[in-house]
Amino acid sequence: TQLLEQSPQFLSIQEGENLTVYCNSSSVFSSLQWYRQEPGEGPVLLVTVVTGGEVKKLKRLTFQFGDARKDSSLHITAAQTGDTGLYLCAGAIWGTYKYIFGTGTRLKVLA
Amino acid sequence: DTGVSQDPRHKITKRGQNVTFRCDPISEHNRLYWYRQTLGQGPEFLTYFQNEAQLEKSRLLSDRFSAERPKGSFSTLEIQRTEQGDSAMYLCASSFAPGQGFRRTEAFFGQGTRLTVV
Repeated sequence: TQLLEQSPQFLSIQEGENLTVYCNSSSVFSSLQWYRQEPGEGPVLLVTVVTGGEVKKLKRLTFQFGDARKDSSLHITAAQTGDTGLYLCAGAIWGTYKYIFGTGTRLKVLA
Repeated sequence: DTGVSQDPRHKITKRGQNVTFRCDPISEHNRLYWYRQTLGQGPEFLTYFQNEAQLEKSRLLSDRFSAERPKGSFSTLEIQRTEQGDSAMYLCASSFAPGQGFRRTEAFFGQGTRLTVV
């Protein structure tokens, strides 16, 4: 059973477009992290959201944690080719130490 | 300390051989995780340690897999009698949690060990 579902699974867009990636679960999470991963490398942490309803901005990236701490979204404004990569959400289920990952969203930004 | 370190970065082995991977976490981190990742997929949880105690093992971790963290610092993941299906990227991550209820459980990853079984 995959506890963290991401959508879409694949996304191919033109440079300059906006996009949103979703991360959903039926479980409550202590906090949620977003990572970006390049081929052949380990995931690199982008952001952590802890409080329900929290919104964090990282330049053109906006992250939101759902009010009930069961879901999150990543919005990219004016995508650039350098945003291309595998985006992963991850977190520890509330009450456990088990740290699990979402199914991943592969983003390709075309020039 | 420059982050989580994994060794080797790449390993090619013949089917049936044993392999061992090492992970050195960030020094003050008390939690250590192992994951397996196949191409284009999110990492799959294998096991994790709180200090030297192995607290959970995934059903993905068959009897051929064993992980240790003997002194609560570095960890090893051994695969015995490797099979072609074991070919994957093996990722290690570490995090710091001062106590139960600490919610900011962000993990930091090494660059992974790419295993190819031929």
